[in-house]
Amino acid sequence: AQTVTQSQPEMSVQEAETVTLSCTYDTSESDYYLFWYKQPPSRQMILVIRQEAYKQQNATENRFSVNFQKAAKSFSLKISDSQLGDAAMYFCAYRSAGYGNKLVFGAGTILRVKS
Amino acid sequence: GAGVSQTPSNKVTEKGKYVELRCDPISGHTALYWYRQSLGQGPEFLIYFQGTGAADDSGLPNDRFFAVRPEGSVSTLKIQRTERGDSAVYLCASSFSGQITDTQYFGPGTRLTVL
Repeated sequence: AQTVTQSQPEMSVQEAETVTLSCTYDTSESDYYLFWYKQPPSRQMILVIRQEAYKQQNATENRFSVNFQKAAKSFSLKISDSQLGDAAMYFCAYRSAGYGNKLVFGAGTILRVKS
Repeated sequence: GAGVSQTPSNKVTEKGKYVELRCDPISGHTALYWYRQSLGQGPEFLIYFQGTGAADDSGLPNDRFFAVRPEGSVSTLKIQRTERGDSAVYLCASSFSGQITDTQYFGPGTRLTVL
């Protein structure tokens, strides 16, 4: 079974600075997707960014980018120019290739943004 | 509707009671997922529907948990003889089909408290 580990229970960043959230995963599969989801206090999970394992190029979405190291099974999220609205719980998630497969989540990292 | 909706937002019940949690997916989405999020944890998969049928129910913890989706849209998660350990946020997600390339869109969840 696949597992996802987020070793940072909580992180803080100053507004406008950059922060990196860590994620590692364990799998024997070669084809899969990785995701970062944001969960604000409203509880609604919002997709931030995703990475296909077969792509070597790291995904980027505006201020959000990932560092995907397939051999090391590492998938970190970098948030640039942090904003107060970025404060939330962030979850790393894994999904096997194939139809209908579930997301496997890590335990999450709380991100606090200081003004 | 514009997004996934879940009712009720909060549910308080007594140990041993029966509860039903409802999920309205995004219109046209054939895939529907239920997850359970315990305090301080990431969501854990419960069940996946493709249309009206449960394609993967491997995450249901025991036979007290059951889910239906009779017309391929709205889904109901049913919990019999509730226990205090069932207290959690129950999240529903839907996607256009079940393909790995489809984004899973989450609802705001139902917070279940068993006294």
